[in-house]
Amino acid sequence: DAKTTQPPSMDCAEGRAANLPCNHSTISGNEYVYWYRQIHSQGPQYIIHGLKNNETNEMASLIITEDRKSSTLILPHATLRDTAVYYCIVRVGTFNTGKLIFGQGTTLQVKP
Amino acid sequence: DAGITQSPRHKVTETGTPVTLRCHQTENHRYMYWYRQDPGHGLRLIHYSYGVKDTDKGEVSDGYSVSRSKTEDFLLTLESATSSQTSVYFCAISESGFANTGELFFGEGSRLTVL
Repeated sequence: DAKTTQPPSMDCAEGRAANLPCNHSTISGNEYVYWYRQIHSQGPQYIIHGLKNNETNEMASLIITEDRKSSTLILPHATLRDTAVYYCIVRVGTFNTGKLIFGQGTTLQVKP
Repeated sequence: DAGITQSPRHKVTETGTPVTLRCHQTENHRYMYWYRQDPGHGLRLIHYSYGVKDTDKGEVSDGYSVSRSKTEDFLLTLESATSSQTSVYFCAISESGFANTGELFFGEGSRLTVL
């Protein structure tokens, strides 16, 4: 199963871009990279996912390196409400019963 | 927000007693999951279901059993609760189980304390 490595914590100034890195050097060709976040004690929330190409939605952008060994989640204009634990996950499991394995994540602290 | 309801939201029980947590969904999604979250361990998968009466183990399944007799309900049972099972339990659902890159929707969590 592909594993991910993230820094345990990061700080970001409010209004600036937050760039959260993730290493997934053992990812296989058909595995997707997912990002979720968990605000305080709420249930995790889906942010974005990608396979090879860069992806963007209303919440964030996902940049995946050409060799797919790492990726970066970008929150273009971080706000205080973006303070959360961010999880980078690689899909594991069989085709029909795929499951997400969460790691420790990165605690992002957005500061005024 | 996805229609997921966990019950009870908070429970205190004693060691050795049975406990059942219920996850109810109104989305008619095929896949359902139970995770537990503990400080220093992040979220860990306990069991998941890929259809009615179809379940499989996750990373930390020892001491837990599950049942899914209908699409909307996924029950997590601790046959004999232990203090190590004190945790926050999250239910999640998915329409496609990631076969087609479907995302997970999480419930609000159930906080269980075993004394």
